[in-house]
Amino acid sequence: GEDVEQSLFLSVREGDSSVINCTYTDSSSTYLYWYKQEPGAGLQLLTYIFSNMDMKQDQRLTVLLNKKDKHLSLRIADTQTGDSAIYFCAESAGSSNTGKLIFGQGTTLQVKP
Amino acid sequence: GAGVSQSPSNKVTEKGKDVELRCDPISGHTALYWYRQRLGQGLEFLIYFQGNSAPDKSGLPSDRFSAERTGESVSTLTIQRTQQEDSAVYLCASSSIRDRGMNTEAFFGQGTRLTVV
Repeated sequence: GEDVEQSLFLSVREGDSSVINCTYTDSSSTYLYWYKQEPGAGLQLLTYIFSNMDMKQDQRLTVLLNKKDKHLSLRIADTQTGDSAIYFCAESAGSSNTGKLIFGQGTTLQVKP
Repeated sequence: GAGVSQSPSNKVTEKGKDVELRCDPISGHTALYWYRQRLGQGLEFLIYFQGNSAPDKSGLPSDRFSAERTGESVSTLTIQRTQQEDSAVYLCASSSIRDRGMNTEAFFGQGTRLTVV
């Protein structure tokens, strides 16, 4: 079945780059997503990548997709204390992308001043 | 409304009671999802509605859980005979269909925090 795995915790210093990794199992997923959850807030879509792309850059965010290894990463350049949050990787279940989203357990990013 | 709205925002109930959670999706969104998030854990898929298709109920943990949706509007998640392990934040999300039948991003509500005592 579908499964998404993430490391649970990452701590970086302000100004450093953060890299959050994710592996998934459904090779037919059409879209892969990164969501951010701040304390007491809902989930906010940060970025997504279409499965036929290798990389997507959006300001400080870079998403890398290795489809062969089913590995997705999110790089945050010049990490700020405001980036402290839980980051969820998600895949769209099935090739039609009209199905459910499967989420990882979330990676807690701690940014130290 | 502008976003996904869930009510109540908080619910405390006694073990064994039934609860009903409500989700108002973004107008025009054909897809609606329910997820459960236990304290310190990730999102657990519960159920997915897409237009008039039969819902994907594969994530419902037991027959005490059920959900309904009328057309492309409000959805209710009902938990019967609540247990302490049902305590969690229940999140609702909605999305629309873009060209080629692909879902757009899912927009999440703030969730209902359910505490079973």
